[in-house]
Amino acid sequence: NAGVTQTPKFQVLKTGQSMTLQCAQDMNHEYMSWYRQDPGMGLRLIHYSVGAGITDQGEVPNGYNVSRSTTEDFPLRLLSAAPSQTSVYFCASRPTGQGGNTIYFGEGSWLTVV
Amino acid sequence: GENVEQHPSTLSVQEGDSAVIKCTYSDSASNYFPWYKQELGKRPQLIIDIRSNVGEKKDQRIAVTLNKTAKHFSLHITETQPEDSAVYFCAAKHGSGGSNYKLTFGKGTLLTVNP
Repeated sequence: NAGVTQTPKFQVLKTGQSMTLQCAQDMNHEYMSWYRQDPGMGLRLIHYSVGAGITDQGEVPNGYNVSRSTTEDFPLRLLSAAPSQTSVYFCASRPTGQGGNTIYFGEGSWLTVV
Repeated sequence: GENVEQHPSTLSVQEGDSAVIKCTYSDSASNYFPWYKQELGKRPQLIIDIRSNVGEKKDQRIAVTLNKTAKHFSLHITETQPEDSAVYFCAAKHGSGGSNYKLTFGKGTLLTVNP
């Protein structure tokens, strides 16, 4: 299994541009989520999904959209990038039900908005 | 929602000493408490976790304790080694209803182990 795969690893955007961070997992996990990590702020939940066709907002959803058309994929869209969205983004997944506590992170995507 | 406070934000110890990181949580319904280690430039990785029906759990040099009454839990690392240097995150997971799927993290502790 490849686990959780994120692309791209590094990206520089201009203010106002849009882009999509891709996330895929091959573990058949129902739960997927996106976090952003900023210095001194820990990991903050942006959006999450408990299955295909179901998404919900986390702690810091503004400026981001998600969709979950398949179990495997959970892309994160930045609609109009702002410098405040400069961050490291982690996609994560976990199974649900028994044993569904361990969360698996992708390698991260470093995004800079200039 | 859940709020997780983590202290200290930075911790420096000598190799061989013990390190303790403490977290408090606000939601008494939270029932699962993992700890993650993140090395520089890497993803967070689970190192130990504890469920709310257990008071202490050990795995070699690391241990976690949980006090449900006081709503706090701690990570203990004994005989620290330079490779223990990393950022450590605590987290709390609510176990029921629509928030079952959320994991709230503390802000992290940068642990430095000096040789």
